[in-house]
Amino acid sequence: AQKITQTQPGMFVQEKEAVTLDCTYDTSDQSYGLFWYKQPSSGEMIFLIYQGSYDEQNATEGRYSLNFQKARKSANLVISASQLGDSAMYFCAMREPYSNSGYALNFGKGTSLLVTP
Amino acid sequence: GAVVSQHPSWVICKSGTSVKIECRSLDFQATTMFWYRQFPKQSLMLMATSNEGSKATYEQGVEKDKFLINHASLTLSTLTVTSAHPEDSSFYICSAALETSGRIADTQYFGPGTRLTVL
Repeated sequence: AQKITQTQPGMFVQEKEAVTLDCTYDTSDQSYGLFWYKQPSSGEMIFLIYQGSYDEQNATEGRYSLNFQKARKSANLVISASQLGDSAMYFCAMREPYSNSGYALNFGKGTSLLVTP
Repeated sequence: GAVVSQHPSWVICKSGTSVKIECRSLDFQATTMFWYRQFPKQSLMLMATSNEGSKATYEQGVEKDKFLINHASLTLSTLTVTSAHPEDSSFYICSAALETSGRIADTQYFGPGTRLTVL
């Protein structure tokens, strides 16, 4: 079953505007971690931000912030003041307590973001 | 920051040959590394978890005899695609977690990926 859902296959945003990328997750564990990665066309996966399930405050990293709503099981990424270089695929991922896969990440299908001038 | 390298960045090979991909954590040690596969415009799918000093753990549906994983040291894991066929053409990405006391929070750093094309 899909554990991470990203409902927006593609998004457009104008330069300097803010954009929210949606992510919902499914887990029965109380302890878990949520991550966002950026993948430019070059293919590398760039870590953006992390939110722990027990963190009381929303995570922030520069222009990135995570709108964590635990009861709704959502972890939306907010990018403020978008830049042309933000155009990329964005993946939401979750890590649960030890499973057969160790501490591997489960990824959503991704959202393609295009920033326009 | 933590850096993970992968080599080669791309490879083209003939059907039936074997290809080895290296994944190295350059400035940290990783007892566990992960191998993912990504088809065009799709998400990353975990293939296997590579454990230093022990056998890899493969995900359901991944042929362990076809995708050989060796985690020879705390900084090196290799993936060998044996007898490659065109359907094995894909983008292979490795990652390593910078391990702390809180495993859930460990940030996973990714290599730049290897694009494999099998003719």
